[in-house]
Amino acid sequence: ETGVTQTPRHLVMGMTNKKSLKCEQHLGHNAMYWYKQSAKKPLELMFVYSLEERVENNSVPSRFSPECPNSSHLFLHLHTLQPEDSALYLCASSQGQGAWEETQYFGPGTRLLVL
Amino acid sequence: DQQVKQNSPSLSVQEGRISILNCDYTNSMFDYFLWYKKYPAEGPTFLISISSIKDKNEDGRFTVFLNKSAKHLSLHIVPSQPGDSAVYFCAASRSSGTYKYIFGTGTRLKVLA
Repeated sequence: ETGVTQTPRHLVMGMTNKKSLKCEQHLGHNAMYWYKQSAKKPLELMFVYSLEERVENNSVPSRFSPECPNSSHLFLHLHTLQPEDSALYLCASSQGQGAWEETQYFGPGTRLLVL
Repeated sequence: DQQVKQNSPSLSVQEGRISILNCDYTNSMFDYFLWYKKYPAEGPTFLISISSIKDKNEDGRFTVFLNKSAKHLSLHIVPSQPGDSAVYFCAASRSSGTYKYIFGTGTRLKVLA
């Protein structure tokens, strides 16, 4: 596998379910990100991890819980979601040296539908 | 309030002609700008970037122009090819703001054969 991979690619869940999204990067990067893209809205940054420490939490509701066990893996744990949380969830990684001009590399996304 | 705006949700261009995608921003503190391309069922892929010390950056068929006084950037694709059909996002960041990109809503480009 190369680049940034995400599983599952599609997920349908009820509001009382608990599920997790997984992201893996094979680029040797140190920073990983979760973004949300809702229909007709810009990509919204949710969380940033650098060297497995959370460095940004963009006022995201607690029903989204990120986990970064190592610099190659990032999870987004979901519980008691709302229908308005239905969106495309994108993971990205960058070198993570703290340089503001670092390029972020994206995975293909998980399309989530909450019923 | 959207700090990065792409006011044209879609654009159609004939193959071989120039495609011009536009992006406006409101925050004068932004000093690094990027364009990403996204095909259906794939994540965005980095295309080209420009820092505010330049007003033009070129990479093959792709050129990005930055007009700081107008807070405007544009992506030119010459010549346009059917494989360029995708959604294009512009993004902006600040040198003092590590990690954080602010994205526009995207412009869907369709290149007609």
